[in-house]
Amino acid sequence: QVQLVQSGAEVKKPGASVKVSCKASGYTFTGYYMHWVRQAPGQGLEWMGRINPNSGGTNYPQKFQGRVTMTRDTSISTAYMELSSLRSDDTAVYYCARDGELGPYYLDYWGQGTLVTVSS
Amino acid sequence: QSALTQPASVSGSPGQSITISCTGTSSDVGGYNYVSWYQQHPGKAPKLMIYDVTKRPSGVSNRFSGSRSGNTASLTISGFQAEDEADYYCSSYTSSSTWVFGGGTKLTVL
Repeated sequence: QVQLVQSGAEVKKPGASVKVSCKASGYTFTGYYMHWVRQAPGQGLEWMGRINPNSGGTNYPQKFQGRVTMTRDTSISTAYMELSSLRSDDTAVYYCARDGELGPYYLDYWGQGTLVTVSS
Repeated sequence: QSALTQPASVSGSPGQSITISCTGTSSDVGGYNYVSWYQQHPGKAPKLMIYDVTKRPSGVSNRFSGSRSGNTASLTISGFQAEDEADYYCSSYTSSSTWVFGGGTKLTVL
């Protein structure tokens, strides 16, 4: 069965960087894009970008360009999301989510989420 | 890219039919057949309920259905049950090759 298992909670100071991992199992890792979505406390979902695990190609929304970097290690079926220059409003739960089985325009499997807290 | 517009809250009685709207533009909701809906219970990851505007993944109750008219997509829950109480988010692919979510709708039982 498809599983996405994320790394544990992080506490960071403003200005620092955080790197969250997402280990995939139960499917061919390089066959599906991996997306990252975040959710601030009590707020809605926000799309942060996606990576093609096969080529390493990425696309990010303008809001995060220059501050987010998505990478992958195909040898261990793991995707990573690094966010730099952290601010207090980056405090959120960060999710990885896989492209749909029947098409690339929806997310059918999600990780359990990783809470990142930014506080001085 | 602005978030899609959803009502902040909707409530209903058990057995009732409930509809949640999601309004975007011709650059997202109205321009592509790529609207999806997600259900999220407190403290849990989102769960896919509808994809490609009207399609339902296997395992999702047939009480859930999706539709679209112009730039507004809708999620309808027929025979509302207490277990359906949750937050619901719409999402759409956009002309910028990005994805955008709605602000979310809190669905509660009366």
